[in-house]
Amino acid sequence: SYDLTQPPSMSVSPGQTASITCSADKLGDKYVSWYQQKPGQSPVLVIYQDAKRPSGIPERFSGSNSGNTATLTISGTQAMDEADYFCQVWDDNTYWVFGGGTKLTVL
Amino acid sequence: EVQLVESGGDFVQPGGSLRLSCTASGFTFTSYTINWVRQAPGKGLEWVSYISSSSSTIYYAESVKGRFTISRDNAKNSVYLQMSSLRAEDSAVFYCARTRITADGNKYSYYLDVWGTGTTVTVSS
Repeated sequence: SYDLTQPPSMSVSPGQTASITCSADKLGDKYVSWYQQKPGQSPVLVIYQDAKRPSGIPERFSGSNSGNTATLTISGTQAMDEADYFCQVWDDNTYWVFGGGTKLTVL
Repeated sequence: EVQLVESGGDFVQPGGSLRLSCTASGFTFTSYTINWVRQAPGKGLEWVSYISSSSSTIYYAESVKGRFTISRDNAKNSVYLQMSSLRAEDSAVFYCARTRITADGNKYSYYLDVWGTGTTVTVSS
């Protein structure tokens, strides 16, 4: 199976930059997507194809992917960005694979 | 408005069965493939199953293979998940989600761009 590893939690001060990582063997060979999920709500796509933002997603969200690590970066983090974030890839054997999720706290 | 709405979640005993529905609106349903993704209480997202637009291609996660069956009715803009031999570990919020695929040369990106609000399945005696 193809496993994606994320830190379980991280914290950031308002206005600062949050960098959430997702790691796996040769992850850079795949495209990574990122989802934001706030408590009691459905996941929302925030980044696809490593670095592209869907319509309506603020510019402060950006992504990168190289080597064994993909990173979701939130610049100028706001209180409303407090949420769980999940990375996801497609694997030919196990299809849609999600990371375990990172709980981002803004304090 | 593009929308997916799940229904059918319920409380069921171990070994029981349940059928979930996902109804789409606001887009051309027959042009899209659909997935089911679940989330156990306090846990992460787990992909469950996928069905292509014509139902010709179907995938399942190993954890549900042989117990769950995905299907769709394009005339009703709906996808279904028939679940049987349910276990306590199947308890979760089940979401349906629309697939998007983009390509850059020979490299493809598969992602889920629209999610429903979810329906809750509780398996307990």
